[in-house]
Amino acid sequence: GAGVSQTPSNKVTEKGKYVELRCDPISGHTALYWYRQSLGQGPEFLIYFQGTGAADDSGLPNDRFFAVRPEGSVSTLKIQRTERGDSAVYLCASSLDGVGYEQYFGPGTRLTVT
Amino acid sequence: KQEVTQIPAALSVPEGENLVLNCSFTDSAIYNLQWFRQDPGKGLTSLLLIQSSQREQTSGRLNASLDKSSGRSTLYIAASQPGDSATYLCAVKKTSYDKVIFGPGTSLSVIP
Repeated sequence: GAGVSQTPSNKVTEKGKYVELRCDPISGHTALYWYRQSLGQGPEFLIYFQGTGAADDSGLPNDRFFAVRPEGSVSTLKIQRTERGDSAVYLCASSLDGVGYEQYFGPGTRLTVT
Repeated sequence: KQEVTQIPAALSVPEGENLVLNCSFTDSAIYNLQWFRQDPGKGLTSLLLIQSSQREQTSGRLNASLDKSSGRSTLYIAASQPGDSATYLCAVKKTSYDKVIFGPGTSLSVIP
């Protein structure tokens, strides 16, 4: 079956611009996670959705970052007033629910802020 | 605050060798631990998931062990192959609904 997909695969934007990154989880998965990965490091947790609600958004670095999942499937990560330090690979994962099931990752979106 | 470390950061072995990757975590109160593989420019692929009540999990040439009391997990790869070359990451979850904390990964190169 289809895995987790993310679009776009690459995004180059200028400092100060607004960007949206999209994640399509595996059908039927109620839990969805966003991570950010910098070169040579493991993924860093950003936010976790259970259904439509954000169960844990403690990883969002500041109020420029926001994520939604209005219908409990597709999620969008939104970054306002991008900074060069936001450049990273943004990974999305989904699991059957949040309770102990494996997370399945998408290929990521590489964001470059110039 | 949970911290996850992985040793070594990089490893290079000849094909056919058995090898062990190490993962340590500071808070032993975990819900589960998961090992992932990441190929360059790609997302993560789950290899093994160990629940806190389990001691080990096996899949093919891979065996992962968990010692909660000492805050350690190992990933054993038998008869390594060039196709095993990738970065291996471990990740822990504190409670059933908690976020996942990743280690920095071990970059493995298997030389033909």
